[in-house]
Amino acid sequence: DIQMTQSPSSLSTSVGDRVTITCRASQGIENDLAWFQQKPGKAPKRLIYAASSLQSGVPSRFSGSGSGTEFTLTISSLQPEDFATYYCLQHNSYPRTFGPGTKVDIK
Amino acid sequence: EIHLVESGGGLVNPGGSLRLSCAASGFTFSDYSMNWVRQAPGKGLEWVSYISSSSTYIHYADSVKGRFTISRDNAKNSLYLQMNSLRGEDTAVYYCAEGVTISDYWGQGTLVTVSS
Repeated sequence: DIQMTQSPSSLSTSVGDRVTITCRASQGIENDLAWFQQKPGKAPKRLIYAASSLQSGVPSRFSGSGSGTEFTLTISSLQPEDFATYYCLQHNSYPRTFGPGTKVDIK
Repeated sequence: EIHLVESGGGLVNPGGSLRLSCAASGFTFSDYSMNWVRQAPGKGLEWVSYISSSSTYIHYADSVKGRFTISRDNAKNSLYLQMNSLRGEDTAVYYCAEGVTISDYWGQGTLVTVSS
């Protein structure tokens, strides 16, 4: 099974800050990676697919990069509505595996 | 507009069974594969199971293999998860989600609580 790790597990940050979250796969997954945002009590929302493609309707301050085993999600200028938990997901093979999540909260 | 609505959650004793349903609308359900994803209280997301559009291909997480069965009825635009031999660690919100890659289309979730 492919294991996914994320760093950091949490971060405290301020509106306007640049935020970078890293996701690593235990083996190469090409670009078969998505990023999701989840707010408390809500279903996850997909932000990025195929590692770097922006989901329709998602603000351009979100971007993704990487291939193989290392991926990043970047928020260029954090907005109040971006405080949430972020998960990566590999869909290269079964079982699908999510990263453990990164909680972004207010400093 | 694509809509996925889960139902069937509730409180069940350890060792018991429960059947979840996911009603789909707003798209041609029979053309799309589907997944179940769960989230234990205060924990992260865990993929549970996948079924292809015509039920040809099915996959399960090791944690549920042999206890859970995914199925679908394309004539009824519905996805199911039969859960047997339930354990405390199966307590979670269960979501249905569309697509091989798990897209942006998720239901609102249904809570399953396994406790005596």
